[in-house]
Amino acid sequence: EVQMLESGGGLVQPGGSLRLSCGASGFSFSSYAMSWVRQAPGRGLEWVSTVSGVGGSTSYADSVKGRFTISRDNSKNTLYLQMNSLRAEDTALYYCAKSTALYCSGTSCYSYYFDYWGQGTLVTVSS
Amino acid sequence: DIQLTQSPSSLSASVGDRVTITCRATQSISNSLSWYQQKPGKAPKLLIYAASTLQSGVPSRFSGSGSGTDFTLTISSLQPEDFATYYCQQSYSTPPIFTFGPGTKVDIK
Repeated sequence: EVQMLESGGGLVQPGGSLRLSCGASGFSFSSYAMSWVRQAPGRGLEWVSTVSGVGGSTSYADSVKGRFTISRDNSKNTLYLQMNSLRAEDTALYYCAKSTALYCSGTSCYSYYFDYWGQGTLVTVSS
Repeated sequence: DIQLTQSPSSLSASVGDRVTITCRATQSISNSLSWYQQKPGKAPKLLIYAASTLQSGVPSRFSGSGSGTDFTLTISSLQPEDFATYYCQQSYSTPPIFTFGPGTKVDIK
């Protein structure tokens, strides 16, 4: 059974930092891209970042580029999100999601979807 | 960047009704569209990927169609457990940049 468990959320002051973790099990972790998706209270879903299976390729939403860093440790089946220079608008429930590509050509993969999600960890940025 | 719109933003329906939700992309995304269901306090759940492929374990009353810029999610006979918010999502580029639609809330008439 595929399972993902996020941790590391909490209350942080504006300008502060936080590191989220997501432990995964039930699938070949290193074979899949992994992503972070967030949802502000009462709002819709917003993609944050994705990292490829071997960690060599990353992508970020413009809203977090330069402040957040996604990484993974395939030996520990764990995904991370380092969040710096946090702002009030980063307040949200952060989900990790297994990301599957429809097809790959060489080292490039296309048309991803999120087939499994964790339950989320809440990040609150407030003074 | 590719943007997604959904219509309607909300709808009220009765058990047994046929429900159709539309998602439109600002440029062609071929069939690179997925649909998710989210219930209050729960993580989203994948329903459909590649525009029309039903995720394993999802009831057959859910179906998806479309390609290019226009897509639909249809629930053939609405069940009590289907009252939720539905999101479409695209990721057409590489490296992937994902976009979600704003969501459609389906509630009880």
